[in-house]
Amino acid sequence: DTEVTQTPKHLVMGMTNKKSLKCEQHMGHRAMYWYKQKAKKPPELMFVYSYEKLSINESVPSRFSPECPNSSLLNLHLHALQPEDSALYLCASSQPGTGIPYEQYFGPGTRLTVT
Amino acid sequence: GENVEQHPSTLSVQEGDSAVIKCTYSDSASNYFPWYKQELGKRPQLIIDIRSNVGEKKDQRIAVTLNKTAKHFSLHITETQPEDSAVYFCAASGTALIFGKGTTLSVSS
Repeated sequence: DTEVTQTPKHLVMGMTNKKSLKCEQHMGHRAMYWYKQKAKKPPELMFVYSYEKLSINESVPSRFSPECPNSSLLNLHLHALQPEDSALYLCASSQPGTGIPYEQYFGPGTRLTVT
Repeated sequence: GENVEQHPSTLSVQEGDSAVIKCTYSDSASNYFPWYKQELGKRPQLIIDIRSNVGEKKDQRIAVTLNKTAKHFSLHITETQPEDSAVYFCAASGTALIFGKGTTLSVSS
């Protein structure tokens, strides 16, 4: 299995809602990532988990809360989002590297709309 | 931190022509340089990558070159086909991937 899966594919939420995005991989990768991608822009790194521990947080607002329950799963909890948070949220995974980067494979993304 | 510049932002070619996309990076510690292709509404897909101990890598119609001294790397697509039309992103990695702004490639038949 060489795929990263994400649910849901689409999500519409109000600014007062709480929702979660889910990501799963079964490639045995021990590094997982959340990216945000706006239309016609490159992916922007939000969080990195390595061996289920948060290793990079790119100054993301606290209304985004990541969680890595185990080596195959990655969640992104959303609360009190703003309309400007509407974007494609991409999950990726790779082997973790200490000075040795490995290929990152992306999931299909969740298209989030905040109303 | 790392900064990646990518040019051109748009590129239009005729089917069968070659296409070249260039990127420069700022952090000499970066040692991994992947290229991703993203079709409309789809995920970024890794198409080729190169590590800092290699100067060139080829996979069928796609090749990547790396000049560590000048801190630039390029994607070369030969014999382009309409299905090559997409947005291409270069990236550089030390501890995390930093992407260029992307190149929209259009191949007309």
